[in-house]
Amino acid sequence: SQQGEEDPQALSIQEGENATMNCSYKTSINNLQWYRQNSGRGLVHLILIRSNEREKHSGRLRVTLDTSKKSSSLLITASRAADTASYFCATALGGTSYGKLTFGQGTILTVHP
Amino acid sequence: DTAVSQTPKYLVTQMGNDKSIKCEQNLGHDTMYWYKQDSKKFLKIMFSYNNKELIINETVPNRFSPKSPDKAHLNLHINSLELGDSAVYFCASSPGGFNQPQHFGDGTRLSIL
Repeated sequence: SQQGEEDPQALSIQEGENATMNCSYKTSINNLQWYRQNSGRGLVHLILIRSNEREKHSGRLRVTLDTSKKSSSLLITASRAADTASYFCATALGGTSYGKLTFGQGTILTVHP
Repeated sequence: DTAVSQTPKYLVTQMGNDKSIKCEQNLGHDTMYWYKQDSKKFLKIMFSYNNKELIINETVPNRFSPKSPDKAHLNLHINSLELGDSAVYFCASSPGGFNQPQHFGDGTRLSIL
């Protein structure tokens, strides 16, 4: 069964606006990761947040993690047309999972110039 | 300079044929993965190798056989191709363990006629 579920499935905004994507998961995790996928390309790692962390920043990206609600959010501030892509959350269980990531179905973000 | 490279990028073939996809990484990583992304963009892990040893083997038809000749290469051979095998197959690598980001290739788009 799918571990991560993302909301919304699609998001359309204007350049300069903020974009927020949410991810919910079902089991306890070791860490949660966010990836971006441009059309026709592979996934690119954006940020990793461990289960004992609540918030992490990287440039215009801000990720929060609420393990009590089993949810995470990705905020992209001051969005640009180049941010247009699909965004995926992925969870890692730790232990003997050997780095296995379970992905959500993604949010398609469109940023209009 | 490409970190994770897959060949071919596109593969169009008939049902019943056998085909292979090759993957190479120059990042010095110990662990490599194969993922399948379906038409709804759902990404699911298939296999993982760590230093040439199979460590993740999800529920995949045994028509799919991975092979890792060395830790920089992970190939995927598919026998008796079926219509349902049509998808984008991604190779990825990581230093290993569950606290590491994964680096993805640009995918191989497999279309079965």
